[in-house]
Amino acid sequence: ETGVTQSPTHLIKTRGQQVTLRCSSQSGHNTVSWYQQALGQGPQFIFQYYREEENGRGNFPPRFSGLQFPNYSSELNVNALELDDSALYLCASSLGTSSDTQYFGPGTRLTVL
Amino acid sequence: EDQVTQSPEALRLQEGESSSLNCSYTVSGLRGLFWYRQDPGKGPEFLFTLYSAGEEKEKERLKATLTKKESFLHITAPKPEDSATYLCAVTGYALNFGKGTSLLVTP
Repeated sequence: ETGVTQSPTHLIKTRGQQVTLRCSSQSGHNTVSWYQQALGQGPQFIFQYYREEENGRGNFPPRFSGLQFPNYSSELNVNALELDDSALYLCASSLGTSSDTQYFGPGTRLTVL
Repeated sequence: EDQVTQSPEALRLQEGESSSLNCSYTVSGLRGLFWYRQDPGKGPEFLFTLYSAGEEKEKERLKATLTKKESFLHITAPKPEDSATYLCAVTGYALNFGKGTSLLVTP
């Protein structure tokens, strides 16, 4: 059984640029959630995708957008990068939504200069 | 609004010195309380899910308990490899995390 994978591992961008992060969900999981984790903080919920539809969103601006594909892999896109977007971006997959356990990938470390 | 508070923020233990981490929460309609372990620069690793008050789960040196207002993660006779940040999260909708407790176990 393959766990959650994310790419790339690290990324450096400059302010104003756009970035795409990728996530492959665990085998059999149809739900993907994305989180942002700043240094020393707990992960903050960005949004969730269930069977290719956005299923909820946290307190993040519209420049954070996403997609889920038929194989349940997912992308997180961030436009007009700001310095405060520097963080560890985590993807988690689960069998369903709310109460099901979410399994996390290793994360993508984004640095915005 | 869902809220999760973890204490202490940091804890230093000698190897073999048992202790407990606390997670206090307020949530409208608890659907699950989760404990994760996170090593520096890595993704959280799932430990336990608790669904109802009175429930307990164990794994090696760790035991998680749940009441209506808080959860405890008990660490019995910890080893240096237990050093990590322990995160608590509740879900009414999406996972709502606390800031974590950073645990350091010294030999």
